[in-house]
Amino acid sequence: GAGVSQSPRYKVAKRGQDVALRCDPISGHVSLFWYQQALGQGPEFLTYFQNEAQLDKSGLPSDRFFAERPEGSVSTLKIQRTQQEDSAVYLCASSNAYPNTEAFFGQGTRLTVV
Amino acid sequence: AQKVTQAQTEISVVEKEDVTLDCVYETRDTTYYLFWYKQPPSGELVFLIRRNSFDEQNEISGRYSWNFQKSTSSFNFTITASQVVDSAVYFCALTSEGSYIPTFGRGTSLIVHP
Repeated sequence: GAGVSQSPRYKVAKRGQDVALRCDPISGHVSLFWYQQALGQGPEFLTYFQNEAQLDKSGLPSDRFFAERPEGSVSTLKIQRTQQEDSAVYLCASSNAYPNTEAFFGQGTRLTVV
Repeated sequence: AQKVTQAQTEISVVEKEDVTLDCVYETRDTTYYLFWYKQPPSGELVFLIRRNSFDEQNEISGRYSWNFQKSTSSFNFTITASQVVDSAVYFCALTSEGSYIPTFGRGTSLIVHP
């Protein structure tokens, strides 16, 4: 596809369940970001990849959060033992250079932990 | 540390009114980049504009215009003759050479009534 694709669009998880969120960036984009967006807030940085290298994971809120991009294209954000406070929209963005170019965002995955 | 402040949480206007969305930023870097994104109800953030710190020229694109003033650390966004389709949440964001991690404001929800 032409844009950034995220799946699933919606995910309901029981507390304690593990979830995996997928991001397909724009083909050829080397930079990939994950953000967490709580209701009524701006996106908060989670982690950044340049190709397959995870250059920054300082925004991951706990060791229950893990992200990977093994072949430098598709990325997966995994959350283990989900908690209610993990409920948010998770946004993925890609760009072909950073920081001086715009990022292209996916529609996000809305995670609800019950 | 970087910071972006969008003091207006929500703005409500009637169609054809002009509206200005405020953005104030803080950074210690001399080279930085400012962005505006639009987030419609569908969820994905749509890039509107990028400005680097060395270019203070105001920009106009159709009904949209941006006023960048380094003296007041502001990068305000004006929509002229607003339309219902402009209803969305608008985010101002900042990156810099010293911190490529993007910082977003909390967003301004614009509601345009017919």
